[in-house]
Amino acid sequence: DTGVSQDPRHKITKRGQNVTFRCDPISEHNRLYWYRQTLGQGPEFLTYFQNEAQLEKSRLLSDRFSAERPKGSFSTLEIQRTEQGDSAMYLCASSLWGVAGIYNEQFFGPGTRLTVL
Amino acid sequence: SQQGEEDPQALSIQEGENATMNCSYKTSINNLQWYRQNSGRGLVHLILIRSNEREKHSGRLRVTLDTSKKSSSLLITASRAADTASYFCATAWGGSNYKLTFGKGTLLTVNP
Repeated sequence: DTGVSQDPRHKITKRGQNVTFRCDPISEHNRLYWYRQTLGQGPEFLTYFQNEAQLEKSRLLSDRFSAERPKGSFSTLEIQRTEQGDSAMYLCASSLWGVAGIYNEQFFGPGTRLTVL
Repeated sequence: SQQGEEDPQALSIQEGENATMNCSYKTSINNLQWYRQNSGRGLVHLILIRSNEREKHSGRLRVTLDTSKKSSSLLITASRAADTASYFCATAWGGSNYKLTFGKGTLLTVNP
């Protein structure tokens, strides 16, 4: 399977615990995005990387959130001291940016559903 | 706040009928994309229309874009039960600092 994969698919944690999610993008894609989606809403942009560089972070991304893409391949999203308001689906997407004729279609993974008790 | 807003929020039709969903947005865009999301699953890209295009087709899908009205529509013809899903429009803007801004979606139910 050459699509975007995310692990785990589901995570249940207690308030105050730290959690880490992983995203493996399509191998040749240089851009990787993280979005968050709550029930009844569309995805909201959190942050994105071009190769290993984190180029933008949304104001939604509090200091408790950190994302990395150390070798420009997979990425991790960590949430420290989780709160109930962090419960959501966390979606990862990747795209190939900068190639003539490619309009940056983003391919999404299945998401990680986080429940904070 | 999210830029795209879909209308209606929910739509229920019979199999074989056509479904039309609308999307309005607020600022200039590079392109507009439509995605489908089945219950509890990831987003699947359906179609992309560039800001200089007015209409685009892909199979049973037809998308229009009116940049003067800042609106787009997605038409699904001859709907099937398998089309039941949430449909989101996403606007892309920002030059090289490129990301998608999604609306809240339209929940389409196609009854067999």
